[in-house]
Amino acid sequence: GAGVSQSPSNKVTEKGKDVELRCDPISGHTALYWYRQRLGQGLEFLIYFQGNSAPDKSGLPSDRFSAERTGESVSTLTIQRTQQEDSAVYLCASSRGGTWETQYFGPGTRLLVL
Amino acid sequence: AQKVTQAQTEISVVEKEDVTLDCVYETRDTTYYLFWYKQPPSGELVFLIRRNSFDEQNEISGRYSWNFQKSTSSFNFTITASQVVDSAVYFCALGPFGNEKLTFGTGTRLTIIP
Repeated sequence: GAGVSQSPSNKVTEKGKDVELRCDPISGHTALYWYRQRLGQGLEFLIYFQGNSAPDKSGLPSDRFSAERTGESVSTLTIQRTQQEDSAVYLCASSRGGTWETQYFGPGTRLLVL
Repeated sequence: AQKVTQAQTEISVVEKEDVTLDCVYETRDTTYYLFWYKQPPSGELVFLIRRNSFDEQNEISGRYSWNFQKSTSSFNFTITASQVVDSAVYFCALGPFGNEKLTFGTGTRLTIIP
C-alpha cells in the first residue's frame, strides 16, 4: 500500500483480556518498528524487526508483550492480560532497512483498557 | 545512553510570526542521525527531516529551516511566517549508527493563533 496501515484504529478492552494489534508496512520495507505513546508523552521504542527476526526487543515492558512478523510483511503486537497502564497509542513504523533509513509511521492504534 | 530534550512543552504564536523549536540531545556515539517529526491533531507522525552527524550544514525547505550545531548538541527547527496548519506536536528524535532504535523527545505542542 501507499503507507503504513494499522488495525484496529481504536480498541477498548477490559482489564485482563488479551489484545492483538496489527501493522501492515509499506510494501518492500524490510524493517518494522513498534512504539508506544502514552497520553501527552513522547514515543517509547518497543521492538524492531529486520525481516522476520527481532534483533532488538529491549523496549518490551514486560513478558505480557510479544510481537511477531511473518513473510517480511505483516506484524502483530500482542498484549496478554491487559492492565490499565497499557492504555496508549501503539504506533508502527517501517523503513527500507539498512543503516538509518527513515522510518515512516502508521496512524496508530488507540488502546483503552478499562 | 541516548537522550533527547525538548524543553519547550507548549508554544503559542500569532499567525505569520516566526517560531523556533529547540532540541538538545545527548549521545556518546560519534555517528548518529537526528530527525524531526510532526504529529498533527489527526495523530499520524509525519517525517520532516533526517540529518547525519557528519553534515552540519543548515537546511531550508520552504518555510522550514533546521540549525544543527554539534558543538552545542542542538538541532533546532524554525518555522518562518507560521500558518494555522503548522499547529501540531513536533518531535525531535535521535538514532545512533547501527542501532535502529529511535529515542524521541517529549515533544513541543505548537499552536498558531489566527
